Amino acid sequence: SQTIHQWPATLVQPVGSPLSLECTVEGTSNPNLYWYRQAAGRGLQLLFYSVGIGQISSEVPQNLSASRPQDRQFILSSKKLLLSDSGFYLCAWSVASGRWTDTQYFGPGTRLTVL
Amino acid sequence: ELKVEQNPLFLSMQEGKNYTIYCNYSTTSDRLYWYRQDPGKSLESLFVLLSNGAVKQEGRLMASLDTKARLSTLHITAAVHDLSATYFCAVGLYSGAGSYQLTFGKGTKLSVIP
Repeated sequence: SQTIHQWPATLVQPVGSPLSLECTVEGTSNPNLYWYRQAAGRGLQLLFYSVGIGQISSEVPQNLSASRPQDRQFILSSKKLLLSDSGFYLCAWSVASGRWTDTQYFGPGTRLTVL
Repeated sequence: ELKVEQNPLFLSMQEGKNYTIYCNYSTTSDRLYWYRQDPGKSLESLFVLLSNGAVKQEGRLMASLDTKARLSTLHITAAVHDLSATYFCAVGLYSGAGSYQLTFGKGTKLSVIP
């Protein structure tokens, strides 16, 4: 069966510090991968998605970036964190089969607090 | 721009009662998802609705889709405390690059009171 991991689970960082969040998926090949952010009391905002190694699409221009160095690894980064980057970051995966992609399955999330 | 609106955003209901959560969206789509989120936790997939008139049921929850009205409903029957959570609907649009993008509603926070 497929499993999705995220780490760290919780992170407290000062403003201006760098960020690296990691997401890995097990039990499937060539998944579509997604990064979402959920700010307090708000819905989910799609940040990035990837349909393959090195292929990243950005939905929202901001100081975050994403990379996919391996088939089942998705990394979210920032060079300098802002207070507004605080939130709950969720990674998700879905089956990639042409047009008929399946449900997106979410990881456990990383709660980021920027002070 | 696709807009997804859920209502109500907050719902407090007594155990044993029935209620419906509504999800309206602004652009034609061929798939709609319902997710559940417990406090401090990630999202759990509940239903995927893929065609007009689709109806799916799991326990006390039943979801339906009317693509012509651009409306999905999540009906709760005889609510129990364990159903307390935030429920999100999400509309899927094909990105044209081998991926569906989901646009989420703001969520409905359901509290079931004994």
